[in-house]
Amino acid sequence: DVKVTQSSRYLVKRTGEKVFLECVQDMDHENMFWYRQDPGLGLRLIYFSYDVKMKEKGDIPEGYSVSREKKERFSLILESASTNQTSMYLCASSPPDRGTDTQYFGPGTRLTVL
Amino acid sequence: DQQVKQNSPSLSVQEGRISILNCDYTNSMFDYFLWYKKYPAEGPTFLISISSIKDKNEDGRFTVFLNKSAKHLSLHIVPSQPGDSAVYFCAANYNAGKSTFGDGTTLTVKP
Repeated sequence: DVKVTQSSRYLVKRTGEKVFLECVQDMDHENMFWYRQDPGLGLRLIYFSYDVKMKEKGDIPEGYSVSREKKERFSLILESASTNQTSMYLCASSPPDRGTDTQYFGPGTRLTVL
Repeated sequence: DQQVKQNSPSLSVQEGRISILNCDYTNSMFDYFLWYKKYPAEGPTFLISISSIKDKNEDGRFTVFLNKSAKHLSLHIVPSQPGDSAVYFCAANYNAGKSTFGDGTTLTVKP
């Protein structure tokens, strides 16, 4: 059974803190994605990765970075958290590039930056 | 510029009736379309998809229709059940598995 896990369901951080959000998938998928979901704005792609050590910017990468040292793990980093980064963060993975494959999502991390 | 739009933020239907959720897109390069369902406090889960070479795909109570000339797709749920109450996201693929998502439509099915 497909599984994507995220390190925390809820997280509260202070402005200026460095924040790490971890995502692990057990499906041996090459592709991994980080999104944020905000009311009325749907899912917006922050960063994605097609392979270990590879990363590409999505639609809203500003203020974020990522790390993919192992195939199963994709980390999202907020270098200096700001209140406008309060959001629901969703990680997803998918099999190799065929353009048709669905993405499998984790349960999400609700981050609040005070 | 939003390439995938779901113009109805919410939809309410009676149990047993048909639910129709709509999605419009602007990029003619999209070649695969998907619908995801999301319950509160959970990640989205895949529901149904359609290739751009087809105009209809059916899976049980769920049918997706694609009108390429109008750049429009719709999801039909018949009959609707209270357990179908969720947020539905339309998504479109064209670039190596990367999906562009709409804003979502919250469906409420009343008993």
